[in-house]
Amino acid sequence: DADVTQTPRNRITKTGKRIMLECSQTKGHDRMYWYRQDPGLGLRLIYYSFDVKDINKGEISDGYSVSRQAQAKFSLSLESAIPNQTALYFCATSDPTSGGVPDTQYFGPGTRLTVL
Amino acid sequence: DQQVKQNSPSLSVQEGRISILNCDYTNSMFDYFLWYKKYPAEGPTFLISISSIKDKNEDGRFTVFLNKSAKHLSLHIVPSQPGDSAVYFCAARRDQLAGKSTFGDGTTLTVKP
Repeated sequence: DADVTQTPRNRITKTGKRIMLECSQTKGHDRMYWYRQDPGLGLRLIYYSFDVKDINKGEISDGYSVSRQAQAKFSLSLESAIPNQTALYFCATSDPTSGGVPDTQYFGPGTRLTVL
Repeated sequence: DQQVKQNSPSLSVQEGRISILNCDYTNSMFDYFLWYKKYPAEGPTFLISISSIKDKNEDGRFTVFLNKSAKHLSLHIVPSQPGDSAVYFCAARRDQLAGKSTFGDGTTLTVKP
């Protein structure tokens, strides 16, 4: 089983709809992240959480909200979706105490979201 | 203002030859750099990293070079293999334990058999 899973993998929705993207992890990491990737561009940080009680905005948080339901779950919501939120969304986890390269991010497979 | 730049959107090399992927950054506060590799329909996976106190880090066929004065790093893959064909992202952090990273736009590497 994958360590970081995202549901759904693909989603088509209409402008104005509220949608939620979910992320679950079995790695036991405290830190979780949501990134967005647009075609031909790099990943941009939307929100991140360093533990269950900690939520922080990233560089492009407008129009998004998050919920950290448990150590293993981090959800991203679009309250009222708009077409320019069409993108590939990645969840990631990390552990600052891990051996090797600390705080390396482990990414899920991504959710492709289309807003019509 | 894009703080991490990968100026070559694509690179094509022959199998067995060297692949050199470049990355420039503007924020002098960055002190830890990473390369990620991404295949289609998958999330990025960590490849190799380097701290600002070093100028070279090697892991098998992959070597990352850092030139702090030029704010430039490069990833060398020798020898290149068809399985290396992927999108490579350069990323930078303000400290090793910062977790969150700033990413470049990626370079698509194609290794031809």
